[in-house]
Amino acid sequence: EAQVTQNPRYLITVTGKKLTVTCSQNMNHEYMSWYRQDPGLGLRQIYYSMNVEVTDKGDVPEGYKVSRKEKRNFPLILESPSPNQTSLYFCASSLLASNQPQHFGDGTRLSIL
Amino acid sequence: GQNIDQPTEMTATEGAIVQINCTYQTSGFNGLFWYQQHAGEAPTFLSYNVLDGLEEKGRFSSFLSRSKGYSYLLLKELQMKDSASYLCALHSGGYNKLIFGAGTRLAVHP
Repeated sequence: EAQVTQNPRYLITVTGKKLTVTCSQNMNHEYMSWYRQDPGLGLRQIYYSMNVEVTDKGDVPEGYKVSRKEKRNFPLILESPSPNQTSLYFCASSLLASNQPQHFGDGTRLSIL
Repeated sequence: GQNIDQPTEMTATEGAIVQINCTYQTSGFNGLFWYQQHAGEAPTFLSYNVLDGLEEKGRFSSFLSRSKGYSYLLLKELQMKDSASYLCALHSGGYNKLIFGAGTRLAVHP
């Protein structure tokens, strides 16, 4: 089944404790992206990648890192999480053509205390 | 820059028709997507418009007017399961970047 898989689905942690949210897709998509979703603000892009070893900042990259060592994986790293990073996070992937829809993972709900 | 506006909430009756509007301003336009998102779940793709006019897909249709910076999603024969948020997303720029509106939360009542 074609899918984008994120882990964990839920995480409660404390300020400053490094964490990684994994994202994997099995559709051979070149493009992958991370979003955060906050009430009233919609989905905002954190980082994106157009291919292996090619990543770039989205609209809200501060406090986050990503890597793209393999085509299928695009982990999101919070080196020193803070409470303002409490949010619902989605990973998405798509083919590179502009008319291709993005496929979203089921989301990761992070709470930083 | 880009800006997208959608109504925050709408209500409708089961079996009726509802139109969800989306207006946008952008310096470059490559297409407009509509996604459906049930509470706590992933957004799922509904439709894509790049040319002016109406695209129909079963009970859902989407319309685009590029000159007016306007799109709408039309849902016919509403069902209770259509209660969800509907996200308008603008594709603008040289890569796959999407700018999302805040979404319209639709509640369908019996």
